[in-house]
Parts: sequence; structure tokens; C-alpha cells
Amino acid sequence: NAGVTQTPKFQVLKTGQSMTLQCAQDMNHNSMYWYRQDPGMGLRLIYYSASEGTTDKGEVPNGYNVSRLNKREFSLRLESAAPSQTSVYFCASSHRQGLAGEQYFGPGTRLTVT
Amino acid sequence: AQSVTQPDIHITVSEGASLELRCNYSYGATPYLFWYVQSPGQGLQLLLKYFSGDTLVQGIKGFEAEFKRSQSSFNLRKPSVHWSDAAEYFCAVGRSGSQGNLIFGKGTKLSVKP
Repeated sequence: NAGVTQTPKFQVLKTGQSMTLQCAQDMNHNSMYWYRQDPGMGLRLIYYSASEGTTDKGEVPNGYNVSRLNKREFSLRLESAAPSQTSVYFCASSHRQGLAGEQYFGPGTRLTVT
Repeated sequence: AQSVTQPDIHITVSEGASLELRCNYSYGATPYLFWYVQSPGQGLQLLLKYFSGDTLVQGIKGFEAEFKRSQSSFNLRKPSVHWSDAAEYFCAVGRSGSQGNLIFGKGTKLSVKP
């Protein structure tokens, strides 16, 4: 049982390049999330998907797009990377919709934009 | 607006000593509260959660937390710290009116002296 997996683990981009971060979960969870973690800032929600076919903005959505491909997969796309998007990105999933349920996190993707 | 405050950025304790990590929240209703731990280079792992009922909750790895409504606090405790507990700890509160979103504190880094 892999839980939540993320690819790639590390990535270096030049300013203006695009890329997609992949996330998959095998726990049959309904809800999935993308966070970014910056030093001294904790985790901030970028986008979430309450269920297959729906996505909504979180706290810091600018510069990102997401796709809930199916129940298992939730991808995050940077169309034109900027140095301010240098961060560690975490995907998470949870069974509950509505009020918060326990979230399970992937190992993260460390992204550097030069 | 909901918020979570972890007043201590960095704490150092000796191995075998007791530990208390502080968390205060601002929330208009009964909160859903969580503590997560992040080891270096890893994703977040749930330590414990409070939804309702007994205000003292037990978690994994020998941790416990106490919900005190009068103080808007949810402090994490461990009676005897082990070197492997060195990590960053995040308190989080479930956001009302959402699809399970969490608001995270900025984290407390725990160092353990031998």
C-alpha cells in the first residue's frame, strides 16, 4: 500500500519554463490537496479537489493550475515558472468531504526555479 | 478568520526530558484540531487529532494533546523525549464551510540533546 505518491522528487526549472507535478493516491480517497511549504510559513493550500471532477482555489492559487484526472490522480501545473515558486510541494488526500478529515501526505517535490 | 499560532519557532530539550509544544487557535465554533510531525526531507505524518469528546487525546509515538476551550489551546506533550523525536511539528485546525481544508501553524522545530 503506497499511500500518496508524488513525482518527481526534485526538479530545477529556469524562469518561464513549465512543468507538471504528479500526485496519485491508492486509498480510494475523495478529496485531494496541493500545498506549498516555505521556510517559516508552514503549509499553504494552493488548490484542492473535494471530489472527482471538482477543483477549487485555496489560499495561494496564482500561477498554478490543477487537474483532477480521476479519483486517484491530481496534478499541479506551473505554466510559466517564477523564482517565487521555489518551494517544497506536498500533495495530500483525505476520505472525508465537508469538515476536515485526516489528511495523508506524500513525500513532497522540491522545486527550484532559477 | 481562523488562524493557528505556534509561539515557539525552535525548542531544544534533553533526551529523556518532558516536552510541551504550544498551539493556540482562533476559531468561531468547535474546532477540529490536529498535530502533524515532519521528519527532515519527509512528508507530514498525523500524530493525533481531536474532533469531540474526551479533551485529552492520545496519539502515536507516545504523544498526547489536551484541548482547552477556555484557553483556545491544543498543546502537544510527551513525558520522555527520544532522540528520534527531533523533527518539525505542525498544529492545524479544520476550516469551517470548506471541503476539509486545514489551516496550519508555522511549525515548531524540535531539537533533542543527547
